Formats: sequence, structure tokens, C-alpha cells
Amino acid sequence: DAMVIQNPRYQVTQFGKPVTLSCSQTLNHNVMYWYQQKSSQAPKLLFHYYDKDFNNEADTPDNFQSRRPNTSFCFLDIRSPGLGDAAMYLCATRQGGKTEAFFGQGTRLTVV
Amino acid sequence: AQSVTQLGSHVSVSEGALVLLRCNYSSSVPPYLFWYVQYPNQGLQLLLKYTSAATLVKGINGFEAEFKKSETSFHLTKPSAHMSDAAEYFCAVSVKNNDMRFGAGTRLTVKP
Repeated sequence: DAMVIQNPRYQVTQFGKPVTLSCSQTLNHNVMYWYQQKSSQAPKLLFHYYDKDFNNEADTPDNFQSRRPNTSFCFLDIRSPGLGDAAMYLCATRQGGKTEAFFGQGTRLTVV
Repeated sequence: AQSVTQLGSHVSVSEGALVLLRCNYSSSVPPYLFWYVQYPNQGLQLLLKYTSAATLVKGINGFEAEFKKSETSFHLTKPSAHMSDAAEYFCAVSVKNNDMRFGAGTRLTVKP
């Protein structure tokens, strides 16, 4: 049973055209993360929510924004995708700081 | 801020040989440490975690890791490699502020 679901698995978008990636969870976890992972690199934390508190990493570009309308859903908005934004985007959830994070299958974004 | 360093971006072993993947951490407070595995075009799956209980932690698929505070290490081992162990492995660290940061990853190759 999928617990962290990312849609779509593969997304192709045009250069400069806004795109939204979605993540939902059935775990009722209070923390949700968005990571960017480029080929053969480690996942890079973009931002995370602790409940409704939004925490943006200092080096996350302004082009990336996020919304969390409720506990179950979290969205990643890329306002004007560039070629350098092509990557795998991973969503994860966690209950508090002591436990492990649960990851979705990821969305692979291609920018053409 | 906390961080982890994985020594060796690529490790190659023969099937049946010992697997040793190295991870050293840096944290000013007691950390929580994790090992994840990632198969191509998939999300991350938890192998094991250290959360200040037993220093020797056993995980799935025959993997284990030992937390050594004196060496600031959390190396991952498996006595006998299997072909299905070929994947990318990530060490991660978390402290009380809820973020989770990953090492650069180690790609494990298993030769027949």
C-alpha cells in the first residue's frame, strides 16, 4: 500500500512554463519534505513543513515555491522552469524528528 | 549544522564478499542517523536507523551498522554481498530541527 504518493511519475514541461508537482500521504505525518535530486547526486533539501510552518533552505531558488493546504497534501511549484531544473523531485514525510522519513517514488521532471 | 560524509563514491565487491560502506557525521548534538538505499528511478528506502538506543543496529536485507561516537562514524556492513544489493546507498543525519541531510551517496557494484 503506497503511503507517500507522488504524481505524476514523469513530467515533461516546456522551458519557462509553470509546473506543479504533487505529493500526498496517508501516514498523517506532521513533517513533509521536498528534495531535488540530479543525476548521480545526493538528494538536496529544498524546503520542509513542520505542520504548517514552512522552512525554506537558504539556497533554494525563488523560482521554487511550495504549498501545503492540509496535512495530507503538499505541492511543489516551479514558476519558470529552466533546463537546469530537470531532475528527480522527491517528497518525503516524517513524524517528528526522531523517526525515519518515508519517501515517495519521485517525479522525474524533464524540461524541453 | 549537521552533515554526513560518505567515503568512496563507488564501491565494487564480488558476490559473497563483505560489503563496507563508510559514513562519518558531524553534529554538535547527538544525531539520529539513517542509511537508505535507492534503486534506479525509485525513491529512497530505509535500510536501518540509529536513534540513541543500541549502537549496533540491524536492518533489512542483512545489513547492519554500528554507531561509534569516538570515531563519529556510522558505517554500513553486510557479511555477504548479493547481486540484488547493487544500488546507490545514502547516509543521512538529522537532529532536533527536523531537517534530514544526505551524504553524497555510494554506488555499490556487485560482480558475479
